[in-house]
Amino acid sequence: TQLLEQSPQFLSIQEGENLTVYCNSSSVFSSLQWYRQEPGEGPVLLVTVVTGGEVKKLKRLTFQFGDARKDSSLHITAAQPGDTGLYLCAGGDAGNMLTFGGGTRLMVKP
Amino acid sequence: NAGVMQNPRHLVRRRGQEARLRCSPMKGHSHVYWYRQLPEEGLKFMVYLQKENIIDESGMPKERFSAEFPKEGPSILRIQQVVRGDSAAYFCASSPLSADTEAFFGQGTRLTVV
Repeated sequence: TQLLEQSPQFLSIQEGENLTVYCNSSSVFSSLQWYRQEPGEGPVLLVTVVTGGEVKKLKRLTFQFGDARKDSSLHITAAQPGDTGLYLCAGGDAGNMLTFGGGTRLMVKP
Repeated sequence: NAGVMQNPRHLVRRRGQEARLRCSPMKGHSHVYWYRQLPEEGLKFMVYLQKENIIDESGMPKERFSAEFPKEGPSILRIQQVVRGDSAAYFCASSPLSADTEAFFGQGTRLTVV
C-alpha cells in the first residue's frame, strides 16, 4: 500500500508570511498532483509534476518534486487570506489509482 | 465545457433508507472515481470505473455499497440501508486517460444520515 504523509496537518499564519507544506512517501510515484479544497467545495487541481527535481511556479506558489520522485513540497510566498484552504497532494503510479495525503489545513489571518 | 457535475449537492436520509449519488464526468472523460471525505480528513478512494466496467473497487465497503457507470447516463454510487457512519462528503472525479493522471473533481454530495 502506498502512503503519502503531509506535514504539517494544520498551519495558522499571518498575512504576508511564507510557508512550506511537505508531502512525503517511501514509494516512488510517476506523477504528483497538488489540489486545493475550500470549505463546501471539491478539490481543485493546482499543478502536476512528473519529472524528478522538477520545479513549477504558479504566481506565489512554488511546487517541487523530489529527485527520487518520492516527495514534494509546496512553498507559498507572502501568503494572503485567499490562500486559506485544505491543500492535498496526490501521487500517481502507472496503472494504479491516485493516492491522496491527509491534507494540510492552512489558515491565513489578515 | 462543463466540469464534473454531481447531484444532489446535499442529501438527507434516515437510517435504513437508500442513498443514490450521481456523477456526470467531464465531456470526453471515460474514467470515473469516487472518493469519500469525512469531516476534517483527506480523501479516501472508494472505486474506479470505466464505461460499463468496475476497474478497482478495493476502497469500497463490501456490504451495502455499489457503483456503476452505464454506457449511457451518469455514474451512480448507491448506498443501501444507510447508517450514521455513512455521513460524509462523497466526491466524484473524472479523467480522460489512465487512473494515475490528473483528475478533475465535482463539488461533491454531502450525505447526512439522521
